[in-house]
Amino acid sequence: RKEVEQDPGPFNVPEGATVAFNCTYSNSASQSFFWYRQDCRKEPKLLMSVYSSGNEDGRFTAQLNRASQYISLLIRDSKLSDSATYLCAVVFTGFQKLVFGTGTRLLVSP
Amino acid sequence: NAGVTQTPKFQVLKTGQSMTLQCAQDMNHNSMYWYRQDPGMGLRLIYYSASEGTTDKGEVPNGYNVSRLNKREFSLRLESAAPSQTSVYFCASIEERGFFGPGTRLTVL
Repeated sequence: RKEVEQDPGPFNVPEGATVAFNCTYSNSASQSFFWYRQDCRKEPKLLMSVYSSGNEDGRFTAQLNRASQYISLLIRDSKLSDSATYLCAVVFTGFQKLVFGTGTRLLVSP
Repeated sequence: NAGVTQTPKFQVLKTGQSMTLQCAQDMNHNSMYWYRQDPGMGLRLIYYSASEGTTDKGEVPNGYNVSRLNKREFSLRLESAAPSQTSVYFCASIEERGFFGPGTRLTVL
């Protein structure tokens, strides 16, 4: 089983839609969680960290469920510019090893 | 403040040639990472360094070596390149927030 798993998509949504991605991780001792965005052939860029209490940044909301070992990303009022691949990442406690999921591709259409 | 820099941006090698990918960060981060990204495979961890003087294997370390020269620099070496190492290589530096270099596009013929 992979350490971090994501549905590869693609998720095709119209502008203005709300879309959610989940990411599961296998190590219950994981300590830090992130969502990255990657545009085609570019380097990943940090979208937001994920905190235990959940956190929001504009149209983006990230949540952590330690009991079920998953993190989620909710995008409200999707824009065309949100089209990208969204990668979740997990740091495993004690090793500082940062592992990524394979990414979920989002396509927002007019 | 340059963040994370990587050189070269592009490279073509013949099978059996060697090369070193350079990575440097100016954010005083302890942890640095090397990943490769292939179509449909996501980012796979090759090696990482949790602090200056330490390195550890990731998911796909075979065929690679690394060197954490100092806190700023973390290099990745291919001793004898193989076509299977054709990929995009990313270096990252992480401390609370993570930053990636622009990537090196490597083709091994």
